[in-house]
Amino acid sequence: GQNIDQPTEMTATEGAIVQINCTYQTSGFNGLFWYQQHAGEAPTFLSYNVLDGLEEKGRFSSFLSRSKGYSYLLLKELHIKDSASYLCAATDSNYQLIWGAGTKLIIKP
Amino acid sequence: DTGVSQDPRHKITKRGQNVTFRCDPISEHNRLYWYRQTLGQGPEFLTYFQNEAQLEKSRLLSDRFSAERPKGSFSTLEIQRTEQGDSAMYLCASSLTTSGSDGELFFGEGSRLTVL
Repeated sequence: GQNIDQPTEMTATEGAIVQINCTYQTSGFNGLFWYQQHAGEAPTFLSYNVLDGLEEKGRFSSFLSRSKGYSYLLLKELHIKDSASYLCAATDSNYQLIWGAGTKLIIKP
Repeated sequence: DTGVSQDPRHKITKRGQNVTFRCDPISEHNRLYWYRQTLGQGPEFLTYFQNEAQLEKSRLLSDRFSAERPKGSFSTLEIQRTEQGDSAMYLCASSLTTSGSDGELFFGEGSRLTVL
């Protein structure tokens, strides 16, 4: 079957660094997305990885290891406004997105 | 604003009534998706269109749900004989897909359905 696993909830402190992990099992693989979703709002795109390695975009970076079926999202210099759910989604062989349940990130002062 | 728009944003209805949601995607996007999301869960795939063709429909979707995209532009999602379990946020997303490679999904703000 197809499955995405990510932690349900994480807590971090303002100004710190946090890493949100995601493991996936899909029928074929055509890339992995990370989306941010604030409560009551629609998801917004953060990053896309299709090749192994680290993609850096400002305070956010995303890493992919295709051989391990593993990705992480790294958030640096955390702001209170980064409190949100972070959704991992893998694209299968039919280019369909398989979504994780999301990781609720709580940032404390 | 040229993003994905959905209407209505909120709908409260009584069990057994029919409801219809509309989605206007980004104009040049050829793929349009409908998802359902409940609290604490990721989006659950319902169906998607490539232009006007409905290419896939979730096996979990009952026959009370139907979607159309008649001219390859806006889409409607209808739920007939609503049940309390249909209460959720219904998200529409669009993307520009070329040569089998899917692009980034752009989501609308969602239509929140409450069935009493």
